[in-house]
Amino acid sequence: ETGVTQTPRHLVMGMTNKKSLKCEQHLGHNAMYWYKQSAKKPLELMFVYSLEERVENNSVPSRFSPECPNSSHLFLHLHTLQPEDSALYLCASSQGGEPTDTQYFGPGTRLTVL
Amino acid sequence: TQLLEQSPQFLSIQEGENLTVYCNSSSVFSSLQWYRQEPGEGPVLLVTVVTGGEVKKLKRLTFQFGDARKDSSLHITAAQPGDTGLYLCASRDYGQNFVFGPGTRLSVLP
Repeated sequence: ETGVTQTPRHLVMGMTNKKSLKCEQHLGHNAMYWYKQSAKKPLELMFVYSLEERVENNSVPSRFSPECPNSSHLFLHLHTLQPEDSALYLCASSQGGEPTDTQYFGPGTRLTVL
Repeated sequence: TQLLEQSPQFLSIQEGENLTVYCNSSSVFSSLQWYRQEPGEGPVLLVTVVTGGEVKKLKRLTFQFGDARKDSSLHITAAQPGDTGLYLCASRDYGQNFVFGPGTRLSVLP
């Protein structure tokens, strides 16, 4: 498999559930990202990992917890979410920190919180 | 944080028409990228521009970077239904992170 993959593609959960989103990149990149895309907002950067270390946390509520066990895998652990957290969650990877680096996106997980 | 504005927000045109969409900021871009996102998918990079005044062509798509590196445009010639999607511009600050504009949602009707 090539590129960036995300599972599951769709997820429906209650506010008391705990679930995890998974992202895997097969491109040999050093940086990975989580974004949130809501219907009425631009893509919002949530977390950035570079060489498996978190380098950015954009004031994301603690009910979202990222994990990067190695340079190819990225998880987003979810617990006690709110209905307003319903959105498309996109994972991306890039080679590194150059300004012209290309970000490669996965297809996203469509999350619905009931 | 650099903010990006895109216009128009929505655009619906007939197949064969030409169109231009815009991306603007009050700050200077270090580089700027254009992405297209189709429903149910993640954004896919179309082009990266770095030099002020730069023009890049990708088949029927022409990308221009303003001389002052604070604005960019995407022109599509003879639009086709396959061009339908959300067009996003993104800039990168001098650190690690990308900032995305809100996008232009294009619909090309057959």
